Order: sequence, then C-alpha cells, then structure tokens
Amino acid sequence: GAVVSQHPSRVICKSGTSVKIECRSLDFQATTMFWYRQFPKQSLMLMATSNEGSKATYEQGVEKDKFLINHASLTLSTLTVTSAHPEDSSFYICSASDPRAYGYTFGSGTRLTVV
Amino acid sequence: QKEVEQDPGPLSVPEGAIVSLNCTYSNSAFQYFMWYRQYSRKGPELLMYTYSSGNKEDGRFTAQVDKSSKYISLFIRDSQPSDSATYLCAMLNNAGNMLTFGGGTRLMVKP
Repeated sequence: GAVVSQHPSRVICKSGTSVKIECRSLDFQATTMFWYRQFPKQSLMLMATSNEGSKATYEQGVEKDKFLINHASLTLSTLTVTSAHPEDSSFYICSASDPRAYGYTFGSGTRLTVV
Repeated sequence: QKEVEQDPGPLSVPEGAIVSLNCTYSNSAFQYFMWYRQYSRKGPELLMYTYSSGNKEDGRFTAQVDKSSKYISLFIRDSQPSDSATYLCAMLNNAGNMLTFGGGTRLMVKP
C-alpha cells in the first residue's frame, strides 16, 4: 500500500532557530501533499496544501512566512518552521493521496518541542 | 456548528465488547467517508473507506453510512486492548480536495 515517510519523528530546538520537516511519498507520486498540526487530545488542523511546482495554499490564520512549504518534486514536500517559539511546539503530520488507492495516507508525524 | 461532529469520549469498554463509534455531518457535499485510527504520538492510519450508504465489513470492523441522516458509524467486534486508540472520522467532497476530520473519539479497551 501507499507509504508516506516523515522525518524527523522528534526534534527539540532552541527558540529563534528554524526546523525543517520532510515528507516523502515512497512508492507513489504525489502532486499534492497536506500539512497538519495537532495539539494534545485534539483533532488534526489543516495548515496548508502543498502543490508540486507551485506555491502552497495556506489555511486562514496560518502564517506563510513562518511555516515555509516547499514541494520541489513529486515525492518530497518540506515544512520549515522559521524562528520557532515555544508556542510552535506541536505534533506536525503530513499526508498525501495515492492515485492508485482510496483515502489519504499519513506520515508518522513529527513532535516539535521548542525550548 | 462544526461540519463534522464526533463525541470525544473517552469511551472505556471491557475486552470482547462491541464498540460503536459515530459521527454526524452537516455538509451534503461530503461523498466519501473514512475512519482512521491514531495511536498516541503516531500518524493516523486508514481503517475503512466507504462511498455509498450501507455497510462495509473488513474483519472485526464494520463501517456504516446513512447519507439521508448524515450519520456514519464504525463498529468494532470482539474489541481488543490493542484497539485502544483515538478514532477519527473523515469526510471528503466529490472533487476530492476537501478532507474534513471529526474531533476524534478516544477508545480504551480494558483487559
């Protein structure tokens, strides 16, 4: 089945630094990938839609200059949290849709802690 | 009012019980319905995918859709402690470009 790999699974960074999270579709090409944020005991909140070869589409309230998304190839999208602050600490998850299958496949998530 | 409503639980049941998880929705544009299971600190895993009204069975899991009532259910038979997780319903519009999640129900199956 479709596999989406997300890396790193856990990262701790200092306030003011930037962190890059990678999302790869391993056995299919994904023209569109999605980035979500999840707070403890809450559901997934869509942050942005990543489109291969074009600009990402951000949801209302999500700062595009803070959460930089790059989708340079059909199998890789990256989310960079710039100038991270403690309030950016959260669980970030990516997903993609395999055109050969139904539904959306999610990565294993990245737990970001900003200290 | 949220587009997709789901009781957050937690729902605690003994091992072997039949579990019923439900979601209601208000947007008639939703045409595809999914159930995801999410273990703590992991990404959601797709369990069931349905399109039409009716039942779909896969092992111990049965997904039920009633489009006329805008109500979907997931039944788990012979529940196991390993089923303890958060279950998220998700709905997709016909164009396939709008995926909306319920808030998730936390299930605990006690041995």
